[in-house]
Amino acid sequence: EIVLTQSPATLSLSPGERAALSCRANQSFSYNYLAWYQHKPGQAPRLLIYGASTRATGIPDRFSGGGSGTDYTLTISRLEPEDFAVYYCQQYAASLPYTFGQGTKLEIK
Amino acid sequence: QVQFVQSGAEVKKPGASVKLSCKASGYTFTSYPMHWVRQAPGQRLEWMGWINTANGKTAYSQKFQGRITVTRDTSASTVYMELRNQKSEDTAVYYCAREKGWGYFDHWGQGTLVTVSS
Repeated sequence: EIVLTQSPATLSLSPGERAALSCRANQSFSYNYLAWYQHKPGQAPRLLIYGASTRATGIPDRFSGGGSGTDYTLTISRLEPEDFAVYYCQQYAASLPYTFGQGTKLEIK
Repeated sequence: QVQFVQSGAEVKKPGASVKLSCKASGYTFTSYPMHWVRQAPGQRLEWMGWINTANGKTAYSQKFQGRITVTRDTSASTVYMELRNQKSEDTAVYYCAREKGWGYFDHWGQGTLVTVSS
């Protein structure tokens, strides 16, 4: 099973600042099959990025994803008030189970 | 627009079963696989299993093998997830999610809280 570790656990920033969230896997996996989700309390998770770097439909271009192998990053270039939430990475490599990171909470400083 | 409506909150005693539903609308139901993902309090999202909505084929996480059954009713555009012999550790919010392709989820239900308590 692929284990994903996200860092930091909590990130305290102000609107307008840049956020960089990390997701590290315990083994490399194929085709950069990594997704990022935004999750707000009481809401359904929202797909942001798939294939490590492709923005989902309707996602603003301030969200970008990168990385390969075992190290992946979600970057939010200029934080908007609505961006403060919990972010999860997920791998969907060839073999089940799909797994998620433990999440990074992005909070207002 | 794509939408999923999940069934309401449940309270169950240990050892009981729960069957949750997830009704899809806004797209052709049989065109996309559906998955179940849960989140226990303070825990990460956890993938449980999936169903090919076209042919009914399923696959489950080893963790839940023997306790979980995912089914679908194509006439009602609804997927179901039954979890048997529940334990307190099964207390969680359960989500259905549509797989867009290759294993990532582009739309999710709003979640159903299941509380397992004596």
